[in-house]
Amino acid sequence: SAVISQKPSRDICQRGTSLTIQCQVDSQVTMMFWYRQQPGQSLTLIATANQGSEATYESGFVIDKFPISRPNLTFSTLTVSNMSPEDSSIYLCSVLIGGVQYFGPGTRLTVT
Amino acid sequence: LAKTTQPISMDSYEGQEVNITCSHNNIATNDYITWYQQFPSQGPRFIIQGYKTKVTNEVASLFIPADRKSSTLSLPRVSLSDTAVYYCLVGPANQAGTALIFGKGTTLSVSS
Repeated sequence: SAVISQKPSRDICQRGTSLTIQCQVDSQVTMMFWYRQQPGQSLTLIATANQGSEATYESGFVIDKFPISRPNLTFSTLTVSNMSPEDSSIYLCSVLIGGVQYFGPGTRLTVT
Repeated sequence: LAKTTQPISMDSYEGQEVNITCSHNNIATNDYITWYQQFPSQGPRFIIQGYKTKVTNEVASLFIPADRKSSTLSLPRVSLSDTAVYYCLVGPANQAGTALIFGKGTTLSVSS
């Protein structure tokens, strides 16, 4: 398995601003993923972030809104840009190890 | 990716065995079946993964019939702390590097 941490754990932001979420893993992993979970809903995949290549975004998500960095095999960031109240969600990073996806604790974002 | 169907909700009492069945009629040859547990405000936690027949660990058992078109997660002697959302996911093996796609999950409520 893996120990995954996310920062911040929660934040309240004003609309129009941006927030960068950090994801740190205690081991080197090739595959990392970012998900969003809106209140009362299931998880939705935002993008796949592999070290050394551009992130691949799912339908409905674009790089200008959710830029992702993957500078090394243990770290990634997701930025939520120009936020609106509709971006209020829990954002989770996930890593793939041994055929199993492990998830971070999530970042709860509230946009006012 | 194969779509999954599972009950929206289930109720149980402490000490009972709970079986949650998931249908995945279009499962592919290289797909594995994975179950996750999620508590409110936490990331999903890996429970168990299998390909065929039966898999057992310290937390649960996973039963997969020969045609692999369904699977059953068995939780022995549940307690109040097992109240959570349980997700059944189907996806290819690690080497494909494909992110899991979440369905709606089953909300299990355990009462005393």
